[in-house]
Formats: sequence, C-alpha cells, structure tokens
Amino acid sequence: EVQLVESGGGLVQPGGSLRLSCAASGFTFSSEEMNWVRQAPGKGLEWVAHISTSGNTIYYADSVKGRFTISRDNAKNSLYLQMNSLRAEDTAIYYCAKEITVIAGAPMDHWGQGTLVTVS
Amino acid sequence: QSVLTQPPSVSAAPGQKVSIPCSGSSSNIGSKPVSWYQQLPGTAPQLLIYDNNQRPSGIPDRFSGSKSGTSATLGITGLQTGDEADYYCATWDIYLNNLVFGGGTKLTVL
Repeated sequence: EVQLVESGGGLVQPGGSLRLSCAASGFTFSSEEMNWVRQAPGKGLEWVAHISTSGNTIYYADSVKGRFTISRDNAKNSLYLQMNSLRAEDTAIYYCAKEITVIAGAPMDHWGQGTLVTVS
Repeated sequence: QSVLTQPPSVSAAPGQKVSIPCSGSSSNIGSKPVSWYQQLPGTAPQLLIYDNNQRPSGIPDRFSGSKSGTSATLGITGLQTGDEADYYCATWDIYLNNLVFGGGTKLTVL
C-alpha cells in the first residue's frame, strides 16, 4: 500500500524557516516524480514545487521561488521542502504527492494527509 | 487568479447528472492531458480522472472526463450526497513550467 506521511509543520514567525519531510513507502520511490502542493485555509489547491526522480530537474511556483527548496533522498525514501523567509501568505496545509510519472500532465495518484504550516 | 478557470459552484439533485467545465489555454490544456481531483471536506485530494478520461482503479464509472481543444469537462452521473465535495482540474503548463490548478468547483447535491 502506498503511503506518504508528511511531518515538520508548525507555528513559525514571519521571516523564519521550516523543513518539511515526506516519508514514502509502498512503491519504488526512486522511480517516481514528486510534488509539494499547498492549500491555504478555505482556499483552493496551489502547486508549490516538482522534483524529478533523480533530483536533477526541479520547478517552483513563482510565489516560492528563491525561498523554498525541494529535495529528495532516494536512499531514505524521503522528500523534503526547505522553507525560508516565510510569510503570512505561506500559511497552508502542505501535501506531498506522488505523480504517475509515465503519464503526461503530472497527474498525482497518491497524496499524504498534509502538514499544517502557520506563519504568524 | 487561477490559470485554469472553473465555476465556483454547481448543484444538482440526487440521481441527476452534472458537468463541471475547466477552461485553459494552448500552453496547458491545449498541450497536456488534464487530471481531475475530488476533495471531500477535511480530507486530502483524490485523483478522479487522469489523461483526460482515464479512471484510477476504484473510481466508479459514474465519473468521466473529456477534453476538447483548450477546455475539459468532468461529468458525474447518478449523483449521491456523498459526492458533495470540491473538484479541481489540473495539468502542466509548458510555458510556465508549472503544474496549474483550476480554482475549484464546489458541488452541492440538493
């Protein structure tokens, strides 16, 4: 069974930093591209970042570019999101999501339960 | 302002059918397949449709997807109260190199 478990969320002051982790199991993590997606309270889904299987190809939303860093450790089956210079507008539930890598359009077939980040 | 445009809400009676449109452009829906997600209250999103019209295992055939040009549509037949949720379309934008979502549509089953 595929499982994605996020951790590392919490309350942080504006300008502070947090590192989110996503522990993956039940599939070959090193073969799948991964994403972080967030959802502000009462708002819609917002894509944050994408990373390829090797970590060589990375994309970011403009809203986080230069402040957030996505990374992965395939040996540890883990995905990370380093968040620096946090702002109030970064307050959201952060989900890690696994892509169906062989299908174009980046469909995400498994999602974690999310971890809440509050910047205040 | 979302790159993909969806109506904020739709409603229909139990047993009826509903369509949720998603409008984009040549750089996203016009170039890449569309996915649809269902988000029940208080839960993580779930993939409903991928590759425009494919259902993951376990998704009932009451849910269908289609695409034409720069627009896509999610169809739901035999509406049930348990279908009340937010629905999002998404795809990759080749100019932005971003995954883009619609703003979401809240489905109410009256």
